[in-house]
Amino acid sequence: GENVEQHPSTLSVQEGDSAVIKCTYSDSASNYFPWYKQELGKGPQLIIDIRSNVGEKKDQRIAVTLNKTAKHFSLHITETQPEDSAVYFCAASNENTGFQKLVFGTGTRLLVSP
Amino acid sequence: DAGVIQSPRHEVTEMGQEVTLRCKPISGHNSLFWYRQTMMRGLELLIYFNNNVPIDDSGMPEDRFSAKMPNASFSTLKIQPSEPRDSAVYFCASSLGRGTLRGETQYFGPGTRLLVL
Repeated sequence: GENVEQHPSTLSVQEGDSAVIKCTYSDSASNYFPWYKQELGKGPQLIIDIRSNVGEKKDQRIAVTLNKTAKHFSLHITETQPEDSAVYFCAASNENTGFQKLVFGTGTRLLVSP
Repeated sequence: DAGVIQSPRHEVTEMGQEVTLRCKPISGHNSLFWYRQTMMRGLELLIYFNNNVPIDDSGMPEDRFSAKMPNASFSTLKIQPSEPRDSAVYFCASSLGRGTLRGETQYFGPGTRLLVL
């Protein structure tokens, strides 16, 4: 089955810096890669996703890149703000299986210091 | 919409007791997922329902765990008997479940934090 690895486990940056979180996946059939943000005491929330037919996607300060050949994808946050502090999870899924079975990475705790 | 609703938010019980977690998906969503989150194993899918029917329960850890979805607006996850290793945060999520799956976001509830003593 699919296995998703995520690095780093913790990331501390200064406000205004950029943050990059990287994930690798094992199943070449995976074609959907969402990123979730989990704030303390809350459930994960989707912040951006990408599909295998696209190499990069941007949404304001957030971008995701995908390298299918190397089987890795990354989350980029620019101009970080204290409210970006949270745990971020990557996930992978094969949408051709019939349902969206997400396999999650282990999470990255991002701390943005003012 | 109020989003996915879970109850209780916190549950403390003793080993051997029965625990029932409840979930109300977003109205109009046809797919429902139960996840478990622990420090050791991260976020794991336990079971997935589509149109109230269990489609994949391969993530259910053992027979002590059972899940039901009697109607489109309610699901339960039951642990009987509970053990200390069941301590975790349990999340329910729902999505439209239109069948094509493309572009379907899974919306997570706030979770139930379970502690089994």
